[in-house]
Parts: sequence; C-alpha cells; structure tokens
Amino acid sequence: DQQVKQNSPSLSVQEGRISILNCDYTNSMFDYFLWYKKYPAEGPTFLISISSIKDKNEDGRFTVFLNKSAKHLSLHIVPSQPGDSAVYFCAAILNAGGTSYGKLTFGQGTILTVHP
Amino acid sequence: GAGVSQSPSNKVTEKGKDVELRCDPISGHTALYWYRQSLGQGLEFLIYFQGNSAPDKSGLPSDRFSAERTGGSVSTLTIQRTQQEDSAVYLCASSRGGQGNYGYTFGSGTRLTVV
Repeated sequence: DQQVKQNSPSLSVQEGRISILNCDYTNSMFDYFLWYKKYPAEGPTFLISISSIKDKNEDGRFTVFLNKSAKHLSLHIVPSQPGDSAVYFCAAILNAGGTSYGKLTFGQGTILTVHP
Repeated sequence: GAGVSQSPSNKVTEKGKDVELRCDPISGHTALYWYRQSLGQGLEFLIYFQGNSAPDKSGLPSDRFSAERTGGSVSTLTIQRTQQEDSAVYLCASSRGGQGNYGYTFGSGTRLTVV
C-alpha cells in the first residue's frame, strides 16, 4: 500500500524554465512533508519542508505547495539549472504534531533532468 | 567522522547466506534510521534507534531482519538466510536530537545483490 505516490517517474525541463514535481498522499494523518534530492551513488539530502498548517514554503529557487483537501503537494524549482538534475523524493510524517520528528514515508521518486 | 559511513558499499551474496551491513553515524547523533530502496521503489523504513529508547522495529519486513546499535553509535543490520527479494540499496541516516528530519544525514548506502 503506497501511501505516498509520485506518479511521474521522470521529468525533463529546459534550463531556466520551471520544474514542477508532484506528490500525492492517501493518509490524512500525515501532517509534515519534506522533499529530498538524491544524486547517483549518494544518499538523499534534505531540500525543503512544509507543515500541514501552511500551504506554501519558499526557500530561494525552491517552493513547496501543499493542498490538504486534495492530499497533494508539489515542488517548484525556478529557474531550473542543470545541477538540479537528480532524483527527487517527497516524504511524509504521520502525526508529527506539526514538527519534523518521526519516521518518514517516501514516494518512489521522480528523475529530473534539466537540459542546458 | 564528517558524514555517515556505510560499509560495504556493494555486497553480492548467495541466496541463503547471512549478511551484515554496517553504519557509522555522525559522532554525537543520537537518532539512527535504516531504510532500503528496492528497484523502482521509494525508500522503505526499516528500523529507528533514538538514544537509549527501545528501537522502533515496525518496518522490518520479516524475522530474518534484525539490527542493533552498540554503545549508541555504530549500527549493524543483519539479514539471515537472504532471499532474492532482499536485493536493494540499504541506506542509513542519523540526526542529532532536536534537529528532527531537517538534520537527517544519509550515508551513500550498501547495494546488496542476492544471487
């Protein structure tokens, strides 16, 4: 039972354009969400997060949007750069109480390729 | 060390053999997690150690899997009587108490292949 789903296995974007990565979840008790980025042969690294009490969080070129009624979140990268090419995972925490503590449930990942 | 160190980086084993995977967390990090990533899948939670508390073993897929953390530092994940479906990348992560998931640092993983 995949509770966190990333339905697009891959995404290809031109440098300078916007990249939009999507994530859907099924469990309404998830209340904290994170995005991780992974390069080949490396472990994932934390990118940005959002609590369920918010609908948007921004950090430089990266913005995460949360639509709780649709159980959907998205990561926007603008402008996209070739160095952003990596696998992006969304993750969720159950009953975190609005904090970032607890075990993560990950999606399958989306491979982003940014072409120069 | 500067990061989370996992060994070996690659392991090929015959079906039915036991394997041990090692994780050296960042010094001072009290929380340690094991995840695995099978081909085409997301990262699957296995087990979580936090300080001296009893570990959360709820993600271990069968009783062939066990993990221990000695002295609050190094952790070993043991898989007994390996099966082909155990083939995956096993990732370890650690964090300092109080940092939550912001402070997660993952190792590079151990790629396990069961033949």
